[in-house]
Amino acid sequence: DSGVTQTPKHLITATGQRVTLRCSPRSGDLSVYWYQQSLDQGLQFLIQYYNGEERAKGNILERFSAQQFPDLHSELNLSSLELGDSALYFCASSVDSGATQYFGPGTRLLVL
Amino acid sequence: QQQVKQSPQSLIVQKGGISIINCAYENTAFDYFPWYQQFPGKGPALLIAIRPDVSEKKEGRFTISFNKSAKQFSLHIMDSQPGDSATYFCAASMNYGQNFVFGPGTRLSVLP
Repeated sequence: DSGVTQTPKHLITATGQRVTLRCSPRSGDLSVYWYQQSLDQGLQFLIQYYNGEERAKGNILERFSAQQFPDLHSELNLSSLELGDSALYFCASSVDSGATQYFGPGTRLLVL
Repeated sequence: QQQVKQSPQSLIVQKGGISIINCAYENTAFDYFPWYQQFPGKGPALLIAIRPDVSEKKEGRFTISFNKSAKQFSLHIMDSQPGDSATYFCAASMNYGQNFVFGPGTRLSVLP
């Protein structure tokens, strides 16, 4: 158990809908990262937050957004969902940028 | 310059054999090189990591070899077991920097 929690574990929704994925980092970690992993694909970095502020942006679509709250938990919002958005979404946390990242168990999103 | 290249894409090894996965990087500012292990449907988990001040680090059956001049590092799994069958990701970062880059992953299958 990495200490990073993600909810929900599974999510099934329809095209065009909007969903919110939640992540709670390990105690003491200030940095949160979001990754997308499609079937048989690598880890696609989406976005990083550090202590409430956006620190780095990767291959994140404009339909996706994220934020980190004062209690350091983070939410990833996915809107206007398409079939191709079906994937595993991982959250990771670290004490600081560049430090070891610890991954949560992931949220499996299925868009029908 | 921020890329980490990883090979092979997939690897099949007999039980008891040695599994070797290679990674290469360009950015000489990277100073932390972790390896992650991911089982299907699970989040990546830190396996072993090395800093460039040493050329080798061993933890049980897992060894990282690091060649600073060649900008290459590799993971060796000795006495490979079917339970080692997973996807392995190498990564590189600048400690307390803003970059944490993952390789594309290697799918290892250890045959019984």
